[in-house]
Amino acid sequence: SQQGEEDPQALSIQEGENATMNCSYKTSINNLQWYRQNSGRGLVHLILIRSNEREKHSGRLRVTLDTSKKSSSLLITASRAADTASYFCATDARHFTLGSSNTGKLIFGQGTTLQVKP
Amino acid sequence: DAGITQSPRHKVTETGTPVTLRCHQTENHRYMYWYRQDPGHGLRLIHYSYGVKDTDKGEVSDGYSVSRSKTEDFLLTLESATSSQTSVYFCAISERSVWTGYGYTFGSGTRLTVV
Repeated sequence: SQQGEEDPQALSIQEGENATMNCSYKTSINNLQWYRQNSGRGLVHLILIRSNEREKHSGRLRVTLDTSKKSSSLLITASRAADTASYFCATDARHFTLGSSNTGKLIFGQGTTLQVKP
Repeated sequence: DAGITQSPRHKVTETGTPVTLRCHQTENHRYMYWYRQDPGHGLRLIHYSYGVKDTDKGEVSDGYSVSRSKTEDFLLTLESATSSQTSVYFCAISERSVWTGYGYTFGSGTRLTVV
């Protein structure tokens, strides 16, 4: 089952507006990451927030993390048409299985598709 | 994407045939992963590798096998392709375990159609 679930599934806004996407997860984590995927391309790492952090900024991106609610949000401020893409959260859910590598693997949500209209 | 190449980019194959997808990296990263992406399912982990000849299963490993005989190459084999394996396959690499706060670098993907 998916560890992360994004909300909403789709979002359409006008250029200049802010876009907020939410992610909920199920198990304890070390960190949570956000990725962007342009149509027909691979995912690109945007930002990482550790479990002991509550907020992080990178340019026009702002990520919050609430470990008590097992949720995160990604805010893109002053959106541009070039921000049109799908956005995924990913968590490093641990799997303590005998004989496993126990390296930690990223589990991705289903993504939020953002359309920014010029 | 810099440092990671997937081949082929597109492939059409017939049901029942074996198919091998290749992921090649020039970053000398230890960790490599294969995901598949399907509408309504997001990305799901198939197999991953934490070193040469060290691999493990992900959540959707049935019908797939992998091999990593050298650091730079991670091969994904569909032993007998089925229509349910029609998907876009992504390879990803990571220098260190994601637990230490490292992200993935993704390849551009392989679009596989099984007819």
